[in-house]
Amino acid sequence: DTGVSQDPRHKITKRGQNVTFRCDPISEHNRLYWYRQTLGQGPEFLTYFQNEAQLEKSRLLSDRFSAERPKGSFSTLEIQRTEQGDSAMYLCASSFSEDVRYGYTFGSGTRLTVV
Amino acid sequence: AQSVTQLDSHVSVSEGTPVLLRCNYSSSYSPSLFWYVQHPNKGLQLLLKYTSAATLVKGINGFEAEFKKSETSFHLTKPSAHMSDAAEYFCVVSDWMDSSYKLIFGSGTRLLVRP
Repeated sequence: DTGVSQDPRHKITKRGQNVTFRCDPISEHNRLYWYRQTLGQGPEFLTYFQNEAQLEKSRLLSDRFSAERPKGSFSTLEIQRTEQGDSAMYLCASSFSEDVRYGYTFGSGTRLTVV
Repeated sequence: AQSVTQLDSHVSVSEGTPVLLRCNYSSSYSPSLFWYVQHPNKGLQLLLKYTSAATLVKGINGFEAEFKKSETSFHLTKPSAHMSDAAEYFCVVSDWMDSSYKLIFGSGTRLLVRP
C-alpha cells in the first residue's frame, strides 16, 4: 500500500456539468475524510466516513455535493451542476480510528477548475 | 471552538540560515497540534505532532516545534534551510466539534528559500 490515492489529479469542467472524484484510502484505515482547499487558504473539512457510514457533513457541503463510501473502502465525491466557486483542490485523507492525535494521511488531491 | 493563527503568510530566508514559522492557537483544553507541509501540486505531508508528551517535538527533515502552553504557541523551526524546504506549511489543531475530533488548519505560511 502506497498511501492515499486520488483520481483524477486535475479536472477542468464547464459550469453546470457534473464531476466525480475518487479516493482510495490506506487499506487498514476505517476513517475517510474529504477536505476542500481554495487558493491561499488552509484545507476546510467537508465530510467524513467511518467504514461505510457517513457520520458528518459540514455546512460547507451544499445539496449539490454528495459523497459515498459504499463498501467501506474507496469513496467518491460528486458535485452536480458545478459553479465557478467550486474551483478548488479537493483533498482526501484517511486514519485508523477516531484518535486524531496521530494525524491523518492525505492524498495528493484533485484540482478542480470550473470554467 | 478551537482555532489556529499563522502569523506570517510568507517567510523568506537564505539557504543555510534558520527557519522560524510562527503559530498560535486558541484552546479550552490540551490540544493535539501538528505541522503539515505541502509542496506544489503535492498532498499534505505530516512533519511532526504534539500529543501531550514532550513539549519539544522533533519531526522529519530536521524540523522541530516547541509547545508553549503559557504562550499558546507551537512555532516551527529548523536550524539551516535547504532549497528543498520551499513549500507551504500548515499549523493544525485538533478540535472536538459536532461529536467528533477534526483537524482545523491555519491559513498557511509560504516558505521561500533564496540561494
